[in-house]
Amino acid sequence: DAGVTQSPTHLIKTRGQQVTLRCSPISGHKSVSWYQQVLGQGPQFIFQYYEKEERGRGNFPDRFSARQFPNYCSELNVNALLLGDSALYLCASSSPYQTGMTYEQYFGPGTRLTVT
Amino acid sequence: QKEVEQNSGPLSVPEGAIASLNCTYSDRGSQSFFWYRQYSGKSPELIMSIYSNGDKEDGRFTAQLNKASQYVSLLIRDSQPSDSATYLCAVTPQGGSEKLVFGKGTKLTVNP
Repeated sequence: DAGVTQSPTHLIKTRGQQVTLRCSPISGHKSVSWYQQVLGQGPQFIFQYYEKEERGRGNFPDRFSARQFPNYCSELNVNALLLGDSALYLCASSSPYQTGMTYEQYFGPGTRLTVT
Repeated sequence: QKEVEQNSGPLSVPEGAIASLNCTYSDRGSQSFFWYRQYSGKSPELIMSIYSNGDKEDGRFTAQLNKASQYVSLLIRDSQPSDSATYLCAVTPQGGSEKLVFGKGTKLTVNP
């Protein structure tokens, strides 16, 4: 079975530009979460979507937005890019109630964003 | 106080030894606990989940949880050079949220 997929793999943008990152969850998974990981740190939670609804938002500015489509794929948008947005952006999918508790999350390979 | 704390390491063990990785968390209501392995330049890979006090074993890996002490650990037996990676501890906060709160990770090196 295919795991979580993300596109693009790498991206170079200029300050002030906008970027859209894409994620396809594991087949059958309805929940998608986005994380940002800067070098030397653990991933930081940005958003969680379940059944197309936002279920959680981390401490990120409004320049960050996301959405989930009927096929459970998701997009993360970042506007007005700053140098500090350079990071690995990770998408994770999970299947609530699979374990009866929380929700093992499986990560995609990530998108490496570099802002110059 | 940081929500999830790990020793950043690096932790170095010889091949065949037991590697012990530790994690403490501040939210007493945390419900679920995970260990991820992350190779350099790659994304995190789930290796263990634990939800109740005690030990959980999976192959060479054992996760231990003590909610009273707000402490979770990962033991890797018969460590191999291929275990060399950064190990991330993650916790879900009270309320059943899917949000994972990660520590900074512990870098483990297994020397042949």
